[in-house]
Amino acid sequence: DAKTTQPTSMDCAEGRAANLPCNHSTISGNEYVYWYRQIHSQGPQYIIHGLKNNETNEMASLIITEDRKSSTLILPHATLRDTAVYYCIVVSTGNQFYFGTGTSLTVIP
Amino acid sequence: DSGVTQTPKHLITATGQRVTLRCSPRSGDLSVYWYQQSLDQGLQFLIQYYNGEERAKGNILERFSAQQFPDLHSELNLSSLELGDSALYFCASSVDSLANIQYFGAGTRLSVL
Repeated sequence: DAKTTQPTSMDCAEGRAANLPCNHSTISGNEYVYWYRQIHSQGPQYIIHGLKNNETNEMASLIITEDRKSSTLILPHATLRDTAVYYCIVVSTGNQFYFGTGTSLTVIP
Repeated sequence: DSGVTQTPKHLITATGQRVTLRCSPRSGDLSVYWYQQSLDQGLQFLIQYYNGEERAKGNILERFSAQQFPDLHSELNLSSLELGDSALYFCASSVDSLANIQYFGAGTRLSVL
């Protein structure tokens, strides 16, 4: 079963930051937060992951609250190509993913 | 391009038939995962292989089986097909059995008529 709660859908204006929230109030100490996205029936794509520190890479930033019960994925300058379903996944090393229903992000021109 | 290759891209078959889906992982990756994505069930983990051995099993039906060969490519066999098996089937690979960064192929779209 999903250990995460995400909004079903969100809109974001092109060029603005997209902030996608995820609640994971039952997260365990050894569980990571992973974000993947799926663009229209393509294979899911890894974005970023973290344990407790904030993380940034070329695609996005991940902000994890101090109590680790929630996190936010930030796409700093959303483009039309960022329209996708975004999955927040909580998992410990080596265990299997449960993708859930994710957040459908629509970037509006 | 993730480096994971799945064939065929599309497959149309009839109920009761058997099909084989093929996956070549990224160069150097030892672990292969299979997922099923249908409209009503979302993306579901089926099975994982690591270096030729079954590593983990998810919601895989008994009519479905998989294997990973010495060259690390994997095949997913679906038999006695039913209408409800129509779905996208994704293969993913990762560097080892513990890695949670998985690289997904483009998928095989199976239509059972």
